[in-house]
Order: sequence, then structure tokens, then C-alpha cells
Amino acid sequence: AQSVAQPEDQVNVAEGNPLTVKCTYSVSGNPYLFWYVQYPNRGLQFLLKYITGDNLVKGSYGFEAEFNKSQTSFHLKKPSALVSDSALYFCAVRVDYNTDKLIFGTGTRLQVFP
Amino acid sequence: DTAVSQTPKYLVTQMGNDKSIKCEQNLGHDTMYWYKQDSKKFLKIMFSYNNKELIINETVPNRFSPKSPDKAHLNLHINSLELGDSAVYFCASSQGTASYEQYFGPGTRLTVT
Repeated sequence: AQSVAQPEDQVNVAEGNPLTVKCTYSVSGNPYLFWYVQYPNRGLQFLLKYITGDNLVKGSYGFEAEFNKSQTSFHLKKPSALVSDSALYFCAVRVDYNTDKLIFGTGTRLQVFP
Repeated sequence: DTAVSQTPKYLVTQMGNDKSIKCEQNLGHDTMYWYKQDSKKFLKIMFSYNNKELIINETVPNRFSPKSPDKAHLNLHINSLELGDSAVYFCASSQGTASYEQYFGPGTRLTVT
């Protein structure tokens, strides 16, 4: 079955420290992978995507993600966390090449402490 | 300028009622979506339209009916509302292929009492 997993419900990190939010996937064929962020009472905002090419992709607000085919992972990273990065982060993967259907992970709440 | 807008933002109604949520995008996108986010923040696709044609129709009760009068609009009508329909409903749009990111509206919080 095709799926995407975010194994951590919450990640806590001190401001200025590097952060990692984990995502693993299981799809047939080449994966199209996305990260979105949701701030309280807001819709999701696109951060970055991997379609093809370099395994390290850079996105908005200083975030980046590394595609690892052998480990079927697409972890979100940032070298230096900000308090304002505190939000809910979703990993998503395309599961249907014909209809554009995405499935989302369960979300990881990132808390950055001053 | 709001890219994807939804109305209303909040909707409180009683069981058994019929209600609609409207969505409009001014991005010129070909594809629009409806998602449901439950109280645990799980996000699930409900429907997708491409150029006014239904292309994704997940296993949702047939009390839910989407309607796309044109490419810029996708409305969601819900009949005979139930307590379990309480959730936040998000509209989204994209340029139309899977390599493009989706742009989400601010959400409509539906509470059924």
C-alpha cells in the first residue's frame, strides 16, 4: 500500500539549533514529495518539493529537504531554527499518476523554544 | 490579494441541515481540491476537479456533493449534516499536474451541533 509516515508527533528544538522533521514514504514508481507548513488557524503553505534532480532541495524560509531513495526518506531540515518556525509540518507524496492525488502524513508539530 | 478564498470561515449548524461552502481562486489554476482536516489534524483529500471535470472522488458519503461552475470556483454542498462532519474543510488549487504545488485556502471550520 502506498503511504507516507511522519514518525514524530512533536519535535522540540532550541532557537538557533538545527532542526530535522522526519518523513518516510512508500510508493510505486518515482516519488513526487512535498513539504507543507500549517500555522494556527491557517491553511497549509507550500515549503518545497522534490520531483527529480538534486537530492537536496531548498525551499522557503531557509528550509531544505534531502531525498534519500535507498532509505525512502525525505526529511525536512533547517540549519538554525527560529521561534517563528513553530508550526505543524506535513509531508505529502503523490500516489496516483493519473489524478494528481496526494496523501499527507499525520503531521509533526515543531516547537522552537527561545 | 487573496489567492484562494473560502466562505464562510466559520459555520455552526444543527444536525440534519444542508449547508454549502464556497471556494474561489484567482490564480488561473486548472485544478481545484477539497480536503477535510479532522480534530487530530489528519488531512484527507475528498474531491478534485480539473477544468470543471471531476477527477478524484474519494470514499465520502454521497451527502457531500462538489460543484464546479467554472475553473475558478469549486463549491461543496453537504446534505443532512451529521455530528461527524464537524471538521475544517480546506479548498486548494494547483496548475494541474502532480509536479505543481497546491495553494490552500484559509479553511472553513464546520461545527455540527
